[in-house]
Amino acid sequence: QKEVEQNSGPLSVPEGAIASLNCTYSDRVSQSFFWYRQYSGKSPELIMSIYSNGDKEDGRFTAQLNKASQYVSLLIRDSQPSDSATYLCAVNGRLANFGNEKLTFGTGTRLTIIP
Amino acid sequence: DVKVTQSSRYLVKRTGEKVFLECVQDMDHENMFWYRQDPGLGLRLIYFSYDVKMKEKGDIPEGYSVSREKKERFSLILESASTNQTSMYLCATQDRGDQPQHFGDGTRLSIL
Repeated sequence: QKEVEQNSGPLSVPEGAIASLNCTYSDRVSQSFFWYRQYSGKSPELIMSIYSNGDKEDGRFTAQLNKASQYVSLLIRDSQPSDSATYLCAVNGRLANFGNEKLTFGTGTRLTIIP
Repeated sequence: DVKVTQSSRYLVKRTGEKVFLECVQDMDHENMFWYRQDPGLGLRLIYFSYDVKMKEKGDIPEGYSVSREKKERFSLILESASTNQTSMYLCATQDRGDQPQHFGDGTRLSIL
């Protein structure tokens, strides 16, 4: 089982609709969860951080965390063509040999917003 | 805002060359990371550093080394470049372990 799993997509959503991106993780002790957006040929850009169960909203973006079920999701309301990108889920966890925390990234979900 | 600067956006080198990729951050972050990203494989951690002169292997360290002589600078070295090291290389910094990582613009490296 991968440590962080995402549906690779592509996920196609009509402009103005809600895009829903999901991520599951395997490490029960994980405490920090992040969503990154990556445009083609560019580097990942942080768009959301979430640390507690429940919802966190920032503009058109809402992150949802459920630690009991070990999943985190990202909702994008009123989707725009500029939201077309790959979205990476990242989860912190322990480095086996050092006790320091590292981020583990999913392979990303490619989202296309259809005008 | 966090500023992470990678020395080159595009780089072309030949097999067998020694290649240096530089990364500089301006936020006094302790932690720095080097990843490579390939289609279908996602981000893979090469090396990381939690302090000056400290370095630790990530998931795919073979063929690479790193140097961190100053807190703000973390260098990735390809000892003898090979074609399978053609990739996008990303540097990231992090304030502490429970915080997000912040990425530079990346270096697209081609080894011919």
